[in-house]
Amino acid sequence: DQQVKQNSPSLSVQEGRISILNCDYTNSMFDYFLWYKKYPAEGPTFLISISSIKDKNEDGRFTVFLNKSAKHLSLHIVPSQPGDSAVYFCAASENQGGKLIFGQGTELSVKP
Amino acid sequence: NAGVTQTPKFRILKIGQSMTLQCTQDMNHNYMYWYRQDPGMGLKLIYYSVGAGITDKGEVPNGYNVSRSTTEDFPLRLELAAPSQTSVYFCASSVRGGAKNIQYFGAGTRLSVL
Repeated sequence: DQQVKQNSPSLSVQEGRISILNCDYTNSMFDYFLWYKKYPAEGPTFLISISSIKDKNEDGRFTVFLNKSAKHLSLHIVPSQPGDSAVYFCAASENQGGKLIFGQGTELSVKP
Repeated sequence: NAGVTQTPKFRILKIGQSMTLQCTQDMNHNYMYWYRQDPGMGLKLIYYSVGAGITDKGEVPNGYNVSRSTTEDFPLRLELAAPSQTSVYFCASSVRGGAKNIQYFGAGTRLSVL
């Protein structure tokens, strides 16, 4: 029973273009969403988050969009850089106090 | 600034052996967590602790034990290792609970049970 799903295991993008990573969830009680980034041999690091009261949050080159009716969120990276190559995990939480439920991850490769 | 430190980085166990995965943080965080990540899967919460002396089960606690005698340390114990416990284990910590409080992760321990 996967409550948070990232259906694309991998994504390849050219440097300078936009990267769009997608995440779907099934639990309508989730009200806080996060993206973590993970390099090989390192632990995940927090990237950006969004509360369910918003539909967009922006931090530099990273923007997260939330579509509550579709139970879908996406992470946009513009412009993409080779250093962005990593695995990106989507995570969700219920009632802002609950534990994090992670998606399977999407491996992004940004080609020079 | 060390953050969250996990040892060992790699370990191979035989079925039935036991071991302790060590985790220590130097950020004076109250909350600590243990996750496992299986290939092609997201991180799943094994156990967590809200402070010294207090622990609770997560999503997949079977086969594991934890203790929290100090704020800094949160070891994870495997008593009778099974092949199903082959995974990458991550320890994390946060100032407080709740999704708004960022969790900081260690680099992980890769465990194989053969």
